[in-house]
Amino acid sequence: DAGVIQSPRHEVTEMGQEVTLRCKPISGHDYLFWYRQTMMRGLELLIYFNNNVPIDDSGMPEDRFSAKMPNASFSTLKIQPSEPRDSAVYFCACRRTGGTGELFFGEGSRLTVL
Amino acid sequence: AQSVSQHNHHVILSEAASLELGCNYSYGGTVNLFWYVQYPGQHLQLLLKYFSGDPLVKGIKGFEAEFIKSKFSFNLRKPSVQWSDTAEYFCAVSSTRGNTGKLIFGQGTTLQVKP
Repeated sequence: DAGVIQSPRHEVTEMGQEVTLRCKPISGHDYLFWYRQTMMRGLELLIYFNNNVPIDDSGMPEDRFSAKMPNASFSTLKIQPSEPRDSAVYFCACRRTGGTGELFFGEGSRLTVL
Repeated sequence: AQSVSQHNHHVILSEAASLELGCNYSYGGTVNLFWYVQYPGQHLQLLLKYFSGDPLVKGIKGFEAEFIKSKFSFNLRKPSVQWSDTAEYFCAVSSTRGNTGKLIFGQGTTLQVKP
């Protein structure tokens, strides 16, 4: 199994630009989570999906952030327009119903907004 | 609302020293508890978890944690640390209600082990 795959691994962009982060979860895992990690705030849950349906997006900081999961094997997190305070590492994680409860994390996407 | 508090933000130890990292959570219901480790430049990996049963759980790489319900605590321990244990450690909690697996993480503790 390839694990959770995220892209890009690193992105540097200028303020105001649109950023799209991508995630391919482990096959058969029906829950998908987006987390953001910063020095100041640690790991924050942004949004999670179950069977491609957004369940809780209360952690999404602003309307500039949006996430989609068009099918079971792909999710995107979009920031438009981006701001310097969005600089962080964004992790995608997944789990499956009836599993051990463990979340499996991707390698993360490190975003720097200049 | 659920919350997790890790008391030590940065710990520096020499090799072979014993380790204990504190974790307290706030939640009125039944919870599942986790410790994750993040080695430099890598993603989070599960160290150990508690769902039910024996409150002393053993994980990988010689780590263990004890769930003390009365204290809402789930402290991580290791009798003798190694240089390779240098990493960031996260305590996390999820509610058993709904079984969503939604994890709330603590702020993390950076462990630096000196050779």
